[in-house]
Amino acid sequence: VQLQESGPGLVKPSQTLSLTCAVSGGSISGGVYYWSWIRQHPGKGLEWIGYIYYTGSISYNPSLRSRVTISVDTSKNHFSLKLSSVTAADTAVYYCVRAAAGVIDYWGQGTLVTVSS
Amino acid sequence: NFLLTQPHSVSESPGKTVTISCTRSSGSIASNYVQWYQQRPGSAPTTVIYEDNQRPSGVPDRFSGSIDSSSNSASLTISGLKTEDEADYYCQSYDSSIWVFGGGTKLTVL
Repeated sequence: VQLQESGPGLVKPSQTLSLTCAVSGGSISGGVYYWSWIRQHPGKGLEWIGYIYYTGSISYNPSLRSRVTISVDTSKNHFSLKLSSVTAADTAVYYCVRAAAGVIDYWGQGTLVTVSS
Repeated sequence: NFLLTQPHSVSESPGKTVTISCTRSSGSIASNYVQWYQQRPGSAPTTVIYEDNQRPSGVPDRFSGSIDSSSNSASLTISGLKTEDEADYYCQSYDSSIWVFGGGTKLTVL
């Protein structure tokens, strides 16, 4: 299984950050998995953003819940992240991951998103 | 929700053993599995321990994990330290559908 993030590397303040994670080597609808987004601010630690479970249930980090949407497109075998009303504080490397029972087994390579005008 | 607290940094010499702690602020450490991830500079993290003490295939048995209910903490122990072990290490657990990461520990092998 391979995960690959894609999306704009530069987003303006107040706009919506949109990223997609393409899943290859396996079906996104096959298996009991969590499909999740995690970010890492420059030089800082890991921050969980949220996940979508294979059942369709969703959970978000309470600190980001009001601005986050995670969705899955099974026809394209990918899942997506939208983060609205971004500020410079949302500048980070964004990782998509797959997890089984809360244990991450595959990570994307990460993509840097910079919020700047 | 709870927090996972790790030391900011640890250092040890090659060949020695180091232990990194991860303390849960509320709720029992034994209630939900703890995972440990290694992140080398410029790379995505990889799993070195899952479900408290399990090693993924390919991770050397120099890496071990444990939990201690008396201190409500988890530990990652690396024995026979090698310079290649120098990295950031993160613990992670979950509760009520929320995932939590520790702040990370920078391991220096010198």
